[in-house]
Amino acid sequence: QQKVQQSPESLSVPEGGMASLNCTSSDRNFQYFWWYRQHSGEGPKALMSIFSDGDKKEGRFTAHLNKASLHVSLHIRDSQPSDSALYFCAGNYNQGKLIFGQGTKLSIKP
Amino acid sequence: EAGVTQSPRYAVLQEGQAVSFWCDPISGHDTLYWYQQPRDQGPQLLVYFRDEAVIDNSQLPSDRFSAVRPKGTNSTLKIQSAKQGDTATYLCASSFQGAGNTLYFGEGSRLIVV
Repeated sequence: QQKVQQSPESLSVPEGGMASLNCTSSDRNFQYFWWYRQHSGEGPKALMSIFSDGDKKEGRFTAHLNKASLHVSLHIRDSQPSDSALYFCAGNYNQGKLIFGQGTKLSIKP
Repeated sequence: EAGVTQSPRYAVLQEGQAVSFWCDPISGHDTLYWYQQPRDQGPQLLVYFRDEAVIDNSQLPSDRFSAVRPKGTNSTLKIQSAKQGDTATYLCASSFQGAGNTLYFGEGSRLIVV
């Protein structure tokens, strides 16, 4: 069973719009959740982590965690063409092990 | 500061051939990870080390895959007798230990097995 499930598989948002990505975990042993972004031909790069209930904002990016339901979301406001990429949600165990979801492909249309 | 360096960037093999991938992590990072990423899928953890010790290799296909990090710095991932199903990008990442610490990824080694 996939421990980190992401939705939707793909998403198209107009430039300047809001993109919302979702993630659900089946494992309560994760200590942290992460969002990583991967542009074509590159390795994934960390966007932000979250471990407390509620919202965490970094610039145009806001992550939300609901520990009771193990639901994590990422919202990108004022989306830019450079935000077009694969976005991964990942769960982090205490020993450092990081498990990724299958990803959401985000396309920002000018 | 130099990032994570991987080589080779690309490899094309016939089935049954062997290949080795090399990774140089960020200086000072004690934890090193190898992930396999099939095209348009999420990275799947193969193995990770803290210093020279293997912490978890439960997802490493042990009959054909092996990984070492003998001095706790650079690492090599070897695939023997490659199969078409091994076609993927092999990503190396490093971090300084701790659940909340960022993983820094290299650009990956793209393997095609024909």
